[in-house]
Amino acid sequence: DAGVIQSPRHEVTEMGQEVTLRCKPISGHNSLFWYRQTMMRGLELLIYFNNNVPIDDSGMPEDRFSAKMPNASFSTLKIQPSEPRDSAVYFCASSLDGTRSDTQYFGPGTRLTVL
Amino acid sequence: QQPVQSPQAVILREGEDAVINCSSSKALYSVHWYRQKHGEAPVFLMILLKGGEQKGHDKISASFNEKKQQSSLYLTASQLSYSGTYFCGTVLFSGGYNKLIFGAGTRLAVHP
Repeated sequence: DAGVIQSPRHEVTEMGQEVTLRCKPISGHNSLFWYRQTMMRGLELLIYFNNNVPIDDSGMPEDRFSAKMPNASFSTLKIQPSEPRDSAVYFCASSLDGTRSDTQYFGPGTRLTVL
Repeated sequence: QQPVQSPQAVILREGEDAVINCSSSKALYSVHWYRQKHGEAPVFLMILLKGGEQKGHDKISASFNEKKQQSSLYLTASQLSYSGTYFCGTVLFSGGYNKLIFGAGTRLAVHP
């Protein structure tokens, strides 16, 4: 099992540019999560998909952030336009079915730096 | 809604023991524990589902007191490999689905 795959692993961009982060969940998992981790705010849940449908996007900071899951094996998180305060590590995680006893498996993360 | 972890940081000598606590103001159904090493992703350690249940993984064990709405992680005879940040996660049922909320983390450093 390859685990959760994220790309790119590192992204450096300039303020105002569009950034797209990609995620491939573990095959057979029905739930997918995007998290953002910073020293100040810790590990924050941005958005949660179940069976490719966004269930809760209350953690998305603002309209500059958007996420899609066109099929069960691919999701994107887009920031447009990017700002320096978006600099963080972005993790994608997947789980089997999103129940209360379900385990989330994290990808290696994308370290985003916005200059 | 975020569970509260204590202490914020722990420094140990190899072989010493530590306890990390996690408490919530909300009723708990389950508690999840993760460990994150520097520069890596969080990795699942264990999940506790019932009041008073205990689980163990090597020399790391945990307890869950549903009535007190708290869980504790016990690290016995710590090893250098135990260093990292430990997160507890509690499940909140909201809007018809389950949402895992992570605490702020406890940084553990084990020195020789």
